[in-house]
Amino acid sequence: GNSVTQMEGPVTLSEEAFLTINCTYTATGYPSLFWYVQYPGEGLQLLLKATKADDKGSNKGFEATYRKETTSFHLEKGSVQVSDSAVYFCALRHTDKLIFGTGTRLQVFP
Amino acid sequence: DAGVTQSPTHLIKTRGQQVTLRCSPKSGHDTVSWYQQALGQGPQFIFQYYEEEERQRGNFPDRFSGHQFPNYSSELNVNALLLGDSALYLCASSLIYRAEDEQYFGPGTRLTVT
Repeated sequence: GNSVTQMEGPVTLSEEAFLTINCTYTATGYPSLFWYVQYPGEGLQLLLKATKADDKGSNKGFEATYRKETTSFHLEKGSVQVSDSAVYFCALRHTDKLIFGTGTRLQVFP
Repeated sequence: DAGVTQSPTHLIKTRGQQVTLRCSPKSGHDTVSWYQQALGQGPQFIFQYYEEEERQRGNFPDRFSGHQFPNYSSELNVNALLLGDSALYLCASSLIYRAEDEQYFGPGTRLTVT
């Protein structure tokens, strides 16, 4: 079946450190891939997306590349800020519904 | 442009009771999806409504039912509540047949079953 696997958190970093959150997927066909972010007490916000192989999604300094050969969509940011502290969800879209990973909590300290 | 709105924000119910949650989609959207997010987990797809019909459904029992109104707003009903139904319920709206587009999420309704 279709599924998404994310690295477990929490990921704890100092401000300005480099961030990688791993995400791999299993899917039939070539689904669109997404990263959503959830700040404390809030719903989900789309961070970035990629709709086909080799596409790179980017937003607010975050990037992720759709890698068909490794079925991965890892999230990266070159220099994190305290305000990036949140839970990050990787997701794929299959038959018009989203399938999410379990989420990775990021904690950034000054 | 109003985004997705949900009501109520929080709700406390007792086991065995019934609950109704409400969602208004983003302006211009015609499809509403509901997700259940248990504490510390990713959202799980419950079902999706389009043209007032349930279009697809996830792995949830029949105690979970829904409705979509002509103005595209939607309700999620849960009967015979169990402790395990305690979760954040998220509504998302989108345009049908636009698989490359995002689903816009509301802030959620936090349901606590005691």
